[in-house]
Amino acid sequence: GEDVEQSLFLSVREGDSSVINCTYTDSSSTYLYWYKQEPGAGLQLLTYIFSNMDMKQDQRLTVLLNKKDKHLSLRIADTQTGDSAIYFCAVGDNAGNMLTFGGGTRLMVKP
Amino acid sequence: GAGVSQSPSNKVTEKGKDVELRCDPISGHTALYWYRQSLGQGLEFLIYFQGNSAPDKSGLPSDRFSAERTGGSVSTLTIQRTQQEDSAVYLCASSLAGQITEAFFGQGTRLTVV
Repeated sequence: GEDVEQSLFLSVREGDSSVINCTYTDSSSTYLYWYKQEPGAGLQLLTYIFSNMDMKQDQRLTVLLNKKDKHLSLRIADTQTGDSAIYFCAVGDNAGNMLTFGGGTRLMVKP
Repeated sequence: GAGVSQSPSNKVTEKGKDVELRCDPISGHTALYWYRQSLGQGLEFLIYFQGNSAPDKSGLPSDRFSAERTGGSVSTLTIQRTQQEDSAVYLCASSLAGQITEAFFGQGTRLTVV
Protein backbone atom coordinates (compact mmCIF):
# COMPACT_ATOMS: atom_id res chain seq x y z
CA GLY A 1 0.00 0.00 0.00
CA GLU A 2 0.89 3.66 -0.04
CA ASP A 3 3.53 4.89 2.37
CA VAL A 4 3.86 8.59 3.18
CA GLU A 5 6.83 9.91 5.13
CA GLN A 6 7.51 13.26 6.75
CA SER A 7 10.15 14.58 9.09
CA LEU A 8 8.87 14.92 12.63
CA PHE A 9 9.92 18.40 13.59
CA LEU A 10 10.88 21.78 12.12
CA SER A 11 11.85 24.92 13.99
CA VAL A 12 12.12 28.35 12.34
CA ARG A 13 12.30 31.98 13.41
CA GLU A 14 9.41 34.32 12.83
CA GLY A 15 9.70 35.95 9.42
CA ASP A 16 11.78 33.15 7.91
CA SER A 17 10.47 30.71 5.31
CA SER A 18 9.49 27.19 6.36
CA VAL A 19 9.78 24.20 4.08
CA ILE A 20 8.05 21.00 5.07
CA ASN A 21 8.88 17.93 3.00
CA CYS A 22 6.98 14.76 2.24
CA THR A 23 7.75 11.64 0.22
CA TYR A 24 5.31 9.02 -0.97
CA THR A 25 5.58 5.69 -2.70
CA ASP A 26 2.58 5.23 -4.99
CA SER A 27 3.27 6.94 -8.31
CA SER A 28 -0.41 6.65 -9.28
CA SER A 29 -1.45 9.02 -6.51
CA THR A 30 -3.62 11.64 -8.09
CA TYR A 31 -4.37 14.13 -5.35
CA LEU A 32 -1.81 15.44 -2.87
CA TYR A 33 -2.80 17.54 0.11
CA TRP A 34 -1.48 19.54 3.00
CA TYR A 35 -3.51 19.69 6.20
CA LYS A 36 -2.86 21.79 9.30
CA GLN A 37 -3.75 20.67 12.80
CA GLU A 38 -3.68 23.14 15.65
CA PRO A 39 -3.91 22.07 19.30
CA GLY A 40 -7.44 21.00 20.18
CA ALA A 41 -8.69 21.59 16.65
CA GLY A 42 -9.63 19.37 13.78
CA LEU A 43 -7.68 19.07 10.59
CA GLN A 44 -7.86 22.02 8.27
CA LEU A 45 -7.26 21.57 4.57
CA LEU A 46 -4.63 24.13 3.59
CA THR A 47 -4.11 23.37 -0.04
CA TYR A 48 -3.92 20.55 -2.53
CA ILE A 49 -2.30 19.84 -5.86
CA PHE A 50 -3.20 17.49 -8.67
CA SER A 51 -0.54 15.14 -9.95
CA ASN A 52 -0.48 16.85 -13.35
CA MET A 53 0.81 20.06 -11.73
CA ASP A 54 4.28 20.77 -10.42
CA MET A 55 3.59 23.95 -8.48
CA LYS A 56 0.73 25.73 -6.84
CA GLN A 57 0.88 29.05 -5.02
CA ASP A 58 -1.74 30.40 -2.65
CA GLN A 59 -0.79 33.59 -0.81
CA ARG A 60 2.04 32.64 1.56
CA LEU A 61 1.85 28.95 0.65
CA THR A 62 3.72 27.31 -2.21
CA VAL A 63 3.37 23.62 -2.98
CA LEU A 64 6.00 21.94 -5.12
CA LEU A 65 5.55 18.48 -6.57
CA ASN A 66 8.33 16.37 -8.05
CA LYS A 67 6.52 13.37 -9.50
CA LYS A 68 9.70 11.67 -10.64
CA ASP A 69 11.09 11.63 -7.11
CA LYS A 70 7.62 11.33 -5.51
CA HIS A 71 8.42 14.34 -3.35
CA LEU A 72 6.00 17.01 -2.18
CA SER A 73 6.89 20.14 -0.27
CA LEU A 74 5.05 22.98 1.41
CA ARG A 75 6.77 26.34 1.69
CA ILE A 76 5.37 28.94 4.05
CA ALA A 77 6.74 32.41 3.39
CA ASP A 78 7.16 34.95 6.20
CA THR A 79 6.31 32.34 8.84
CA GLN A 80 4.32 33.67 11.79
CA THR A 81 3.87 32.33 15.31
CA GLY A 82 0.28 31.50 14.36
CA ASP A 83 1.64 29.03 11.84
CA SER A 84 2.88 26.83 14.68
CA ALA A 85 0.98 23.57 14.26
CA ILE A 86 1.32 20.04 12.96
CA TYR A 87 1.27 19.78 9.18
CA PHE A 88 0.14 16.58 7.53
CA CYS A 89 0.89 15.52 4.01
CA ALA A 90 -1.73 13.23 2.48
CA VAL A 91 -2.08 11.48 -0.85
CA GLY A 92 -5.24 10.20 -2.43
CA ASP A 93 -6.14 7.78 -5.15
CA ASN A 94 -7.95 8.61 -8.34
CA ALA A 95 -11.32 7.94 -6.78
CA GLY A 96 -10.50 10.25 -3.91
CA ASN A 97 -12.08 7.85 -1.48
CA MET A 98 -9.20 7.21 0.81
CA LEU A 99 -6.36 9.37 1.92
CA THR A 100 -3.08 8.07 3.24
CA PHE A 101 -1.55 10.49 5.69
CA GLY A 102 2.02 11.02 6.74
CA GLY A 103 2.90 11.13 10.41
CA GLY A 104 2.85 14.91 10.54
CA THR A 105 5.56 17.56 10.94
CA ARG A 106 5.43 19.72 14.03
CA LEU A 107 6.34 23.28 13.06
CA MET A 108 7.56 25.52 15.86
CA VAL A 109 7.94 29.22 15.12
CA LYS A 110 10.15 31.16 17.50
CA PRO A 111 9.57 34.90 17.98
CA GLY B 1 -24.60 22.90 10.89
CA ALA B 2 -21.68 25.11 10.09
CA GLY B 3 -19.12 22.34 10.40
CA VAL B 4 -18.63 18.68 11.18
CA SER B 5 -19.63 18.02 14.76
CA GLN B 6 -18.37 15.08 16.79
CA SER B 7 -19.43 13.92 20.22
CA PRO B 8 -18.30 13.36 22.82
CA SER B 9 -15.12 15.39 22.56
CA ASN B 10 -13.50 13.21 25.20
CA LYS B 11 -14.35 9.72 26.37
CA VAL B 12 -12.67 7.66 29.05
CA THR B 13 -13.82 4.07 29.27
CA GLU B 14 -12.80 0.90 31.01
CA LYS B 15 -11.21 -1.90 29.08
CA GLY B 16 -13.85 -4.31 27.85
CA LYS B 17 -16.67 -1.78 27.65
CA ASP B 18 -18.40 -0.75 24.43
CA VAL B 19 -18.30 2.85 23.21
CA GLU B 20 -20.21 4.81 20.60
CA LEU B 21 -18.79 7.85 18.85
CA ARG B 22 -21.06 10.18 16.94
CA CYS B 23 -20.48 12.32 13.87
CA ASP B 24 -22.82 14.95 12.46
CA PRO B 25 -21.60 15.84 8.97
CA ILE B 26 -22.09 19.11 7.18
CA SER B 27 -25.62 19.31 5.83
CA GLY B 28 -25.78 18.16 2.23
CA HIS B 29 -22.48 16.29 2.28
CA THR B 30 -23.06 12.82 0.94
CA ALA B 31 -19.67 11.36 1.79
CA LEU B 32 -18.52 10.64 5.32
CA TYR B 33 -15.15 9.29 6.48
CA TRP B 34 -13.80 8.01 9.79
CA TYR B 35 -10.10 8.20 10.57
CA ARG B 36 -8.10 7.31 13.65
CA GLN B 37 -5.09 9.24 14.90
CA SER B 38 -2.96 7.47 17.45
CA LEU B 39 -0.48 9.39 19.59
CA GLY B 40 2.36 10.68 17.44
CA GLN B 41 1.02 8.89 14.38
CA GLY B 42 -0.54 9.93 11.12
CA LEU B 43 -4.16 9.34 10.32
CA GLU B 44 -5.39 5.83 9.69
CA PHE B 45 -8.38 5.38 7.40
CA LEU B 46 -11.19 3.36 8.98
CA ILE B 47 -14.37 3.52 6.90
CA TYR B 48 -16.04 5.54 4.15
CA PHE B 49 -19.73 6.08 3.40
CA GLN B 50 -20.99 7.49 0.11
CA GLY B 51 -24.70 8.04 -0.30
CA ASN B 52 -26.65 4.80 -0.32
CA SER B 53 -23.74 2.69 -1.52
CA ALA B 54 -22.26 -0.06 0.61
CA PRO B 55 -19.58 1.45 2.84
CA ASP B 56 -15.89 0.85 2.27
CA LYS B 57 -14.91 -0.91 5.50
CA SER B 58 -11.43 -1.86 4.37
CA GLY B 59 -9.72 0.17 7.08
CA LEU B 60 -11.51 -1.21 10.12
CA PRO B 61 -8.80 -2.85 12.27
CA SER B 62 -10.91 -5.67 13.70
CA ASP B 63 -14.46 -6.98 13.92
CA ARG B 64 -14.85 -5.12 17.20
CA PHE B 65 -15.21 -1.97 15.10
CA SER B 66 -18.39 -1.15 13.22
CA ALA B 67 -20.05 1.95 11.88
CA GLU B 68 -23.39 2.91 10.53
CA ARG B 69 -24.86 5.94 8.92
CA THR B 70 -28.56 6.48 9.38
CA GLY B 71 -30.60 8.35 6.81
CA GLY B 72 -27.48 9.35 4.94
CA SER B 73 -26.57 11.85 7.64
CA VAL B 74 -25.42 11.10 11.20
CA SER B 75 -22.87 8.35 11.65
CA THR B 76 -22.02 6.28 14.69
CA LEU B 77 -18.72 4.43 15.13
CA THR B 78 -19.02 1.62 17.66
CA ILE B 79 -16.11 -0.11 19.32
CA GLN B 80 -17.00 -3.25 21.24
CA ARG B 81 -14.95 -4.73 24.09
CA THR B 82 -12.50 -1.82 23.98
CA GLN B 83 -8.79 -2.48 24.37
CA GLN B 84 -6.05 -0.11 25.46
CA GLU B 85 -4.66 -0.01 21.93
CA ASP B 86 -7.97 1.53 20.82
CA SER B 87 -6.98 4.73 22.63
CA ALA B 88 -6.70 7.43 19.97
CA VAL B 89 -8.41 10.46 18.51
CA TYR B 90 -11.19 9.43 16.17
CA LEU B 91 -11.76 11.96 13.41
CA CYS B 92 -14.77 12.25 11.15
CA ALA B 93 -14.84 14.13 7.87
CA SER B 94 -17.52 14.85 5.32
CA SER B 95 -17.47 15.99 1.73
CA LEU B 96 -19.61 16.53 -1.32
CA ALA B 97 -20.05 13.49 -3.55
CA GLY B 98 -16.90 11.73 -2.41
CA GLN B 99 -14.52 14.38 -3.62
CA ILE B 100 -11.94 14.34 -0.89
CA THR B 101 -10.70 17.77 -1.94
CA GLU B 102 -13.81 19.18 -0.34
CA ALA B 103 -13.55 17.23 2.90
CA PHE B 104 -13.91 19.03 6.19
CA PHE B 105 -12.86 17.41 9.45
CA GLY B 106 -14.48 17.52 12.87
CA GLN B 107 -12.47 18.20 16.00
CA GLY B 108 -12.40 14.54 16.88
CA THR B 109 -13.24 12.38 19.86
CA ARG B 110 -10.33 11.57 22.14
CA LEU B 111 -10.88 8.03 23.41
CA THR B 112 -8.90 6.78 26.36
CA VAL B 113 -9.24 3.15 27.41
CA VAL B 114 -8.04 2.50 30.95
